Amino acid sequence: DADVTQTPRNRITKTGKRIMLECSQTKGHDRMYWYRQDPGLGLRLIYYSFDVKDINKGEISDGYSVSRQAQAKFSLSLESAIPNQTALYFCATRGPTNSGANVLTFGAGSRLTVL
Amino acid sequence: SQKIEQNSEALNIQEGKTATLTCNYTNYSPAYLQWYRQDPGRGPVFLLLIRENEKEKRKERLKVTFDTTLKQSLFHITASQPADSATYLCALDFNAGNMLTFGGGTRLMVKP
Repeated sequence: DADVTQTPRNRITKTGKRIMLECSQTKGHDRMYWYRQDPGLGLRLIYYSFDVKDINKGEISDGYSVSRQAQAKFSLSLESAIPNQTALYFCATRGPTNSGANVLTFGAGSRLTVL
Repeated sequence: SQKIEQNSEALNIQEGKTATLTCNYTNYSPAYLQWYRQDPGRGPVFLLLIRENEKEKRKERLKVTFDTTLKQSLFHITASQPADSATYLCALDFNAGNMLTFGGGTRLMVKP
């Protein structure tokens, strides 16, 4: 099983619908992140969480909300989806490597299309 | 705000040559810089990290340099192979481990 699992992998929805993207991890890391990727714009941070009681806005949080249900679960919601939220969404955890450096482990991504 | 620039144009090189990718940043100095590889339809995968007090870091055919005066990192792949074809992202930690900021990535194409 993957260390970071995202569901769904692909989703097509209509404007105004509520969408939830889910993420679960088996790394045992406290830190979890949601990024959005658009062509040419790289990865932009939406929200991040350092533990169940700690939620922080990232660079582009407007129109999104998150929930950290447990150490291993971090979900991203679009309350009312709009077309410019069409993108590839990545969940990631952050923790130490063998060398002690903190690096990100990403899920496989969730491709969302809003019509 | 921090700005990270990577060449948005694809880099095409011949197999066996050395590929060199550039990451430039402005404003604040990061504590360290990371490089990730991303294949189509997949999430980025960590490759190398270099700290601000390190000039160079190597791992197998990969080499990263970090010049805090020029505010630039260079990522080298020696003896490149078609399997090295991917998009390479640099990421900087400007906030003491709280979050990484990514560049737009450079796509590398290695032709046999």
